[in-house]
Amino acid sequence: QSVLTQPPSVSAAPGQKVTISCSGSSSNIGNYYVSWYQQLPGTAPKLLIYDNNKRPSGIPDRFSGSKSGTSATLGVTGLQAGDEADYYCGTWDSSLSVGVFGGGTKLTVL
Amino acid sequence: QVHLVQSGAEVKEPGASVKVSCRTSGYTFTTYAIHWVRQAPGQSFEWLAWINTGNGNTKYSQKLQGRVTVARDTSAKTVYMELISLRSEDTAVYYCSREVGESGQFDYWGQGTLVTVSS
Repeated sequence: QSVLTQPPSVSAAPGQKVTISCSGSSSNIGNYYVSWYQQLPGTAPKLLIYDNNKRPSGIPDRFSGSKSGTSATLGVTGLQAGDEADYYCGTWDSSLSVGVFGGGTKLTVL
Repeated sequence: QVHLVQSGAEVKEPGASVKVSCRTSGYTFTTYAIHWVRQAPGQSFEWLAWINTGNGNTKYSQKLQGRVTVARDTSAKTVYMELISLRSEDTAVYYCSREVGESGQFDYWGQGTLVTVSS
C-alpha cells in the first residue's frame, strides 16, 4: 500500500491530453515539493517534473505539473505512442521520515 | 555529463548479505546527496536510505534499520549500500539516485541492480 495515491491506469488517444492525480496528506505533499517520474519497461525512472512544476532540461513542455493543498497533478498534452509508460509521483514524508512514492499509473495511448 | 553506474546483478541465499556500488561521474561528488530506492517486481518504489556525500551523514528507513548501511568513498566518487540478513522479500531492483533540491527528488538514477534472494 503506497503512501501517495494514484489511479492505476489512464488512457487517451494520440494527440489528446491526459492528467494523472497524486493524493497525499499534510505530512507529505502538503508540506513538501512533489516530483514526477516516467518509467519505461525495464529501465530506470526518468525525472519529468520537480519542485511541483519545474521541468529538467530536455523535458518537453508537453509535460506539466501542479500542486494544490495535499494533491498534485501531472499533465501530458499531445500524447504520443512513446509516452506509454508507468508514471510515479514522489515526495518526502515528515511523519514517516522517509521518501514516499505513489503506486504508479500506467498510461496507455489508444 | 552526469552518470551513476551501479554494480551488476547479484543472487544471494537467505541470510547472506549484499553490497551494491554506485560510481558517479560528471559532477562534484560532494555537492549532491545520494539516495537508495528499491523496486520489487511489479511494485512501486520503496525508499531505503540517504547519505550526505559531503560529511557522510546517513539516514535510514526505520523498516530496514539495522540491516542497511550506506557509505561513501570520496576519492572514488562512489557510494555503497550493504544489506544484511537477506530475505526473499528483499528481491528487487536497487537504484541509487542523486538528489536535486529537497523533498526527496531525484534527477539522475543509476541503471539499477537486480538482487535476487533465493535458496
